[in-house]
Amino acid sequence: DTAVSQTPKYLVTQMGNDKSIKCEQNLGHDTMYWYKQDSKKFLKIMFSYNNKELIINETVPNRFSPKSPDKAHLNLHINSLELGDSAVYFCASSPGPGVGPQHFGDGTRLSIL
Amino acid sequence: QKEVEQDPGPLSVPEGAIVSLNCTYSNSAFQYFMWYRQYSRKGPELLMYTYSSGNKEDGRFTAQVDKSSKYISLFIRDSQPSDSATYLCAMGAPGANSKLTFGKGITLSVRP
Repeated sequence: DTAVSQTPKYLVTQMGNDKSIKCEQNLGHDTMYWYKQDSKKFLKIMFSYNNKELIINETVPNRFSPKSPDKAHLNLHINSLELGDSAVYFCASSPGPGVGPQHFGDGTRLSIL
Repeated sequence: QKEVEQDPGPLSVPEGAIVSLNCTYSNSAFQYFMWYRQYSRKGPELLMYTYSSGNKEDGRFTAQVDKSSKYISLFIRDSQPSDSATYLCAMGAPGANSKLTFGKGITLSVRP
C-alpha cells in the first residue's frame, strides 16, 4: 500500500494552461510538503502544511496555490503555466513540522510545451 | 558558502567496492541528518536517519555524523549494481517552521 501517492505521474500541457496535482498520504502524518526538483536533481521546498495550516511558503510565484482539505491530502494548483515550470514536483509528509524524516511520493513530471 | 555541500560526482565503482559519500554543512543549528536514495523516475527513498553524532549501521549501510566538523558520510559496503542511484544528503533543525536542506545529490554507478 503506497504511503505517499501523487496523481498524475505525468502531465504534458501547453503554456498558459492551468493544472492541478494531487497528493495523499496514509501514514497518519500531520505535515505535508511540496518540493520542486529541477533538471539538475536539486530539491527545493515550495510549501509546507501542518494539519491543514500553511507553515512554510518559500519564494514561489503566486501562480502556485497549495490547498490542504485535510491533513492526509495536499493539492497544488498552478495557473498560467510557463516554460520554466517544467520540473518534477514531489509531495512528502512527516510526523510533524521539523519532526522525523520526510517520506516522498514518486513525483509528478510536468512538461510545458 | 552554501548551507549544504555534497561531492558532485558522478561516481563509478566496481561491484563489491566500499563507497564513501560525503556532505559538509555550515549551519550549526542542524540537528538531524538523513540520506536518501533516488532511483531514476522515482521519489527519494529514506535510507538513514540520525539525530546525533556518531555511527549508525543498517545492513550494508553506515551513516556517520561529526557535528564538531559539520560533516556527514554514508558508507556502502559490498556495493551492488542495484545500489546504482542518486544519493542525497539532507539535514534540518528542530522547530515548527523547520525545513530540510538537501545536498545536490551524487550519482553512483556500480559496475558488475
